Amino acid sequence: EDKVVQSPLSLVVHEGDTVTLNCSYEVTNFRSLLWYKQEKKAPTFLFMLTSSGIEKKSGRLSSILDKKELFSILNITATQTGDSAVYLCAVEHTGNQFYFGTGTSLTVIP
Amino acid sequence: DVKVTQSSRYLVKRTGEKVFLECVQDMDHENMFWYRQDPGLGLRLIYFSYDVKMKEKGDIPEGYSVSREKKERFSLILESASTNQTSMYLCASSYRASPLHFGNGTRLTVT
Repeated sequence: EDKVVQSPLSLVVHEGDTVTLNCSYEVTNFRSLLWYKQEKKAPTFLFMLTSSGIEKKSGRLSSILDKKELFSILNITATQTGDSAVYLCAVEHTGNQFYFGTGTSLTVIP
Repeated sequence: DVKVTQSSRYLVKRTGEKVFLECVQDMDHENMFWYRQDPGLGLRLIYFSYDVKMKEKGDIPEGYSVSREKKERFSLILESASTNQTSMYLCASSYRASPLHFGNGTRLTVT
């Protein structure tokens, strides 16, 4: 059965800390892995990863994929209160369907 | 920027009512999806569509149906709403290998 598992389920950190969010998957016919940030409404797209070992970076956020070990990490450095959100990992398979993890809830306290 | 619009942010319906959730996207995307999001369960796929008049069941289609008469519009129908369908419903669209673009969601409460 295809599945996506995220850890930890929730995390509370202080502003300025660095956090690492994990996503492991078992999905047949893998096409890509995606990260989303969800605040109070629609998930917003962060990264799409298709190749192992190539880091994608956007400001303080970065992500990398390991297709051999079937996982990805999302790093956030120098966290700010605006980073507080649920972070979702999704894996797309070649049938153009997306499997989502349950998310990691991040709270950044001043 | 892709815009996915869901017609209602909040809905309250009674058990047994027929409920329509509407979703419109403005980027000519072929693929459209309906998910529900529940605490501890994440996003679960209800139905999806790759083209007009085409629909495929997702992981939890029971109690739901869909309609796609035009490319830009994908409707989710609850034939007879039940309390266990109280949830956040998210519509999304995509084009080939692009990421999903989500609407703002409809929080449905069935009493």
